[in-house]
Amino acid sequence: GENVEQHPSTLSVQEGDSAVIKCTYSDSASNYFPWYKQELGKRPQLIIDIRSNVGEKKDQRIAVTLNKTAKHFSLHITETQPEDSAVYFCAASRATGNQFYFGTGTSLTVIP
Amino acid sequence: NAGVTQTPKFQVLKTGQSMTLQCAQDMNHNSMYWYRQDPGMGLRLIYYSASEGTTDKGEVPNGYNVSRLNKREFSLRLESAAPSQTSVYFCASNELGYRDEQFFGPGTRLTVL
Repeated sequence: GENVEQHPSTLSVQEGDSAVIKCTYSDSASNYFPWYKQELGKRPQLIIDIRSNVGEKKDQRIAVTLNKTAKHFSLHITETQPEDSAVYFCAASRATGNQFYFGTGTSLTVIP
Repeated sequence: NAGVTQTPKFQVLKTGQSMTLQCAQDMNHNSMYWYRQDPGMGLRLIYYSASEGTTDKGEVPNGYNVSRLNKREFSLRLESAAPSQTSVYFCASNELGYRDEQFFGPGTRLTVL
């Protein structure tokens, strides 16, 4: 099956700085890569996703990049704010399948 | 439109007891999932149901059973709870081929003593 590795496990940044979280995957057939944000005690919620036919996707301060050859994808958050503090999870799946494989999460702290 | 709902929110069991976690969605999704979330281990898939009438094992199915009661409801049963099943359980649903985004329920925090 798929193996998704996520780094770093914890990340602290100053407000206004950028944060980058990286994930690698093992199954070359994976072609859908979502990122979820989970605030303390809450449910995971999708913040951005990318499919394998696209190399980069951006939504305001959040962007995701995908390198299919190297099998890695990254989340970039610019101009971080305290409300960005949360745990972020990457995931990988085949669009035709139901199995989503999640990374182990990155706890992001934005220091005011 | 409530999205994905789960009951109960919290539960404490003794080793060997059984219980069923309930999940329902009102988004007319075909696919539903059960995950467990443990510290430092992310979300791991227990079982999923691609459509009404079908269920399949995920990464960590041992000790669990599921029932896809109808299109809306997907339950998870622990027949004989063990301390290793202490976790937060999330139900999710999506519509594959349409948006793929999984929508999660609020979670059930289960403690097995």
